Order: sequence, then C-alpha cells, then structure tokens
Amino acid sequence: DAKTTQPNSMESNEEEPVHLPCNHSTISGTDYIHWYRQLPSQGPEYVIHGLTSNVNNRMASLAIAEDRKSSTLILHRATLRDAAVYYCILRDGNSGNTPLVFGKGTRLSVIA
Amino acid sequence: NAGVTQTPKFRILKIGQSMTLQCAQDMNHNYMYWYRQDPGMGLKLIYYSVGAGITDKGEVPNGYNVSRSTTEDFPLRLELAAPSQTSVYFCASRQTGLAKNIQYFGAGTRLSVL
Repeated sequence: DAKTTQPNSMESNEEEPVHLPCNHSTISGTDYIHWYRQLPSQGPEYVIHGLTSNVNNRMASLAIAEDRKSSTLILHRATLRDAAVYYCILRDGNSGNTPLVFGKGTRLSVIA
Repeated sequence: NAGVTQTPKFRILKIGQSMTLQCAQDMNHNYMYWYRQDPGMGLKLIYYSVGAGITDKGEVPNGYNVSRSTTEDFPLRLELAAPSQTSVYFCASRQTGLAKNIQYFGAGTRLSVL
C-alpha cells in the first residue's frame, strides 16, 4: 500500500471546524482513501472513505484533491469527544484480503 | 450489537508464562486480524485470517500463534511471554467484498509482561 503523510498533532477549539490533512503523492488509481480514528483507550473506529469524489457522512466529510495526491478530513464542529488520533490509510481496491496498514496518525486536541 | 469482543481487558504475565487472548465477532465476517499497539505508535499487524482454517503472518508474527477453527473466533496465543510483548492488542474483523471494506475493532487487551 502507498504511504501517507500526516502532521503529528493538531489543535482545535470546540465547536469550530477542523481540517485534517493527508498527503499521499504515490497513490495509485485503485487506492481508496480511508480514515479511522482512535479515541483514548479504545480501538480504532471507521470514519469515512472515498476513491475520487468528495464524501459526506454523519461523522465527517472527506475532500479529495483533483489529482488525488492529497485529501482532507473535515470535522464540521469539533467537540471534546472528537479528541483522538486520526489515521489516513490507503487501501488498494484490487486487493482482496490485504489488511489496513496504520501509521502514527494525527493526534487532535480539542480545547473547550 | 456485540460486534468484536476481546477478553480479557487486562492481564499481567510473568516472563515465560503463556496465555491466549480471545477474540469473537458476531457479524459473520470472514476476515479477522490481530494488531498490537505500543505506546505512542500506530498499530502493527501480527496475524490475520481470511476464513476458517486459513491464517497468515503479518508484520510482527514472532512469538505468537493463531488458529481459526470457526468463523466467529480468532484466538491469539503467546507461548513464552517476553517483556517485548508488553503492548495493547486489538482484534478486528471485516466483511468480504471491497465495497465497504470497513474494519471493526474490539476494545483491546492491555498486556504487561514483567
């Protein structure tokens, strides 16, 4: 799987939008962009994923650059419960059973 | 909605002891995974399984064994515990098919080897 680059940490004020960047300059045409997050003392949980078009769900939005070499996870109104480590992961859509590969992610702190 | 259940939640082992970390899922998922997470690090894959009777090594399999006799269960065995195996262990599962490809994780087992 291609590599991703994320900032080590970010900080946000409560109730403000948060934009978490991810660079993946070596992404291939069949790689899906996945985001997971890990709340303190919990296992990771799925947030969102996409291939080419921007995606929205109840948790977040995913904005994908036109050249697909970068993407941004958007939390529209950060809450204290959003404080977590966010992982950006590429997964080959042609791969049947290759597991997700986790990097160090971005640690998001939310200030009240 | 149990999802992925891991037991125990915490365990302290002495060097050389053995134990089995249990993982069960009730979503009829074919794929199951074991990861470990050291402090401040991302998750590293230990073993995975694509179905009952089939297992394969991940990035860090040394010191561990797995079996998959049923779809629901995927236990991880530590035969001779070492301090380097002090970590948090996460089990995960996902359904077959690439459309969703979402992995569901358990709450983890925190293991200390002293």
